[in-house]
Amino acid sequence: DVKVTQSSRYLVKRTGEKVFLECVQDMDHENMFWYRQDPGLGLRLIYFSYDVKMKEKGDIPEGYSVSREKKERFSLILESASTNQTSMYLCASSTPTEAFFGQGTRLTVV
Amino acid sequence: AQSVAQPEDQVNVAEGNPLTVKCTYSVSGNPYLFWYVQYPNRGLQFLLKYITGDNLVKGSYGFEAEFNKSQTSFHLKKPSALVSDSALYFCAVRSPGGFKTIFGAGTRLFVKA
Repeated sequence: DVKVTQSSRYLVKRTGEKVFLECVQDMDHENMFWYRQDPGLGLRLIYFSYDVKMKEKGDIPEGYSVSREKKERFSLILESASTNQTSMYLCASSTPTEAFFGQGTRLTVV
Repeated sequence: AQSVAQPEDQVNVAEGNPLTVKCTYSVSGNPYLFWYVQYPNRGLQFLLKYITGDNLVKGSYGFEAEFNKSQTSFHLKKPSALVSDSALYFCAVRSPGGFKTIFGAGTRLFVKA
């Protein structure tokens, strides 16, 4: 069974903290993605990676960075968390025709 | 630019009745089209996809969708709704050869017993 695993289901962080969201996939996919999900806005792409050490900005990269040191792991970093980054974060990996999602991390910044 | 529109925030149907969740898209070329479902506090689960071939695509849990190129639509359908179908449904589009999948805003389906 294919799997995308996000390290935390729920996180509460303070404003200004550096936050790491981890995602691991076991399908040997080259493409990995980070989205945030907000009510009424659907999923918005933050960053994606099509290979190790390769990254591309999505539609809303401001305030975020990413790291892909190994094929199976794609990390999302909030350099200095702010309250407007409170959201559901979804990681995905994909083949050319299908994406597989993790369970999501609900991040609250207080 | 690619875009996906789900014109209904919520769809309400009675159990046993047919359901339709609407989706229209804008993308150059021949798109890849997808439907995903999300249950509360969970990630997205794949339902079905259209890549090429027959315009009527069958997917998981009895769902199907029809690709209509002239209307640029990809509506999700099910002949007989179940209460357990109540969830948030996302339509998505991707250009062939592209990396990015664009998602609609989502439609909440509520099936009443």
